[in-house]
Amino acid sequence: EAQVTQNPRYLITVTGKKLTVTCSQNMNHEYMSWYRQDPGLGLRQIYYSMNVEVTDKGDVPEGYKVSRKEKRNFPLILESPSPNQTSLYFCASSADNGVGVTQYFGPGTRLLVL
Amino acid sequence: AQSVAQPEDQVNVAEGNPLTVKCTYSVSGNPYLFWYVQYPNRGLQFLLKYITGDNLVKGSYGFEAEFNKSQTSFHLKKPSALVSDSALYFCAVRDERGSTLGRLYFGRGTQLTVWP
Repeated sequence: EAQVTQNPRYLITVTGKKLTVTCSQNMNHEYMSWYRQDPGLGLRQIYYSMNVEVTDKGDVPEGYKVSRKEKRNFPLILESPSPNQTSLYFCASSADNGVGVTQYFGPGTRLLVL
Repeated sequence: AQSVAQPEDQVNVAEGNPLTVKCTYSVSGNPYLFWYVQYPNRGLQFLLKYITGDNLVKGSYGFEAEFNKSQTSFHLKKPSALVSDSALYFCAVRDERGSTLGRLYFGRGTQLTVWP
């Protein structure tokens, strides 16, 4: 089954404790991205990657890091989480950047930073 | 800047009645527009998209959307709502500019509630 998976689905942590949210897709997609969803703000892009070893900042990259060492994986790293990073996070992927290409979303990771 | 606006935070409609979820956009260049739906505790699911061609686009689950260039709108519609359509709906526009090619910009979302 074609899908985007994220782990963990739920995470409670404390300020300053480094964490990683994994994202993996099995569709051989080149383009991957991370979004955060906050009430009243919709989805905002954090980082995206056009291909292996190619990443760039989205609208709200502060406090986050990413890496793209393999095509299928795009982990999101919070080196020193803060309470304002409490949010719902989505990973997405698409085949490429062509016109009209549809992005597929993972199930989401709900993060609470105390 | 590329952006979309969803003017209604909530839409309530009775089952069997037609529904409309509104979206307006602002883009430089050609508009590539999408609708996604989010059911509780689920990720976003693609509903439909407008790239070019017919202004009326048909998508999943009986939804359709009408692209109106003069009004810069892309409203989502369904002739007869179902209780199971209750969800959070997002409109998005795709960026076609060079350095930010492929990025999606989302509206704030509209919560649709269909009453039995």
